[in-house]
Amino acid sequence: KAGVTQTPRYLIKTRGQQVTLSCSPISGHRSVSWYQQTPGQGLQFLFEYFSETQRNKGNFPGRFSGRQFSNSRSEMNVSTLELGDSALYLCASSYGGEGTEAFFGQGTRLTVV
Amino acid sequence: GENVEQHPSTLSVQEGDSAVIKCTYSDSASNYFPWYKQELGKRPQLIIDIRSNVGEKKDQRIAVTLNKTAKHFSLHITETQPEDSAVYFCAAPYSGGGADGLTFGKGTHLIIQP
Repeated sequence: KAGVTQTPRYLIKTRGQQVTLSCSPISGHRSVSWYQQTPGQGLQFLFEYFSETQRNKGNFPGRFSGRQFSNSRSEMNVSTLELGDSALYLCASSYGGEGTEAFFGQGTRLTVV
Repeated sequence: GENVEQHPSTLSVQEGDSAVIKCTYSDSASNYFPWYKQELGKRPQLIIDIRSNVGEKKDQRIAVTLNKTAKHFSLHITETQPEDSAVYFCAAPYSGGGADGLTFGKGTHLIIQP
């Protein structure tokens, strides 16, 4: 079956703009988690959605938000972009529930200039 | 949320030798500990995981051990091969309550010397 798909793969944005990233989970998976990966901070948890509800949220400012649709596809949005938001954004999907294997997408590389 | 510490940050071993990566966690309620491997330019992939009801799990050349009392778990790779070169991440649940989301260690860059 198809894996986790993230679009777009690459983005270049200007400071102050906003951006929306998309994640299509594996068919049947209802949980989608988002992570920010940077060389300095590693992989950091942003938030998790299950059946259109945010169940878990990491320690990121309110400029980072997300949502999940009824088909389990998820989007994350970053408003008022800062240079420090440049990172690889990864989403992972699973059936849901602690201890279920999470499968990662290839990520969206966001560069803020 | 959970806090996970991982050591070492870089590990260089001779091909055929063993490699050990160690992690500690802070939340005694955590009960699921996966390990991910990320090759350069690729997505993280689960290589093995362990739950709190077992102390050790093996899958061919890879094993993970868990000490709940000390709150630490380790990844062991035996007979290392060039394709084992990658960054390895340990993880634990970000918070309890059945929700998904993981806290990751900072990663270990494993280098296999020929």
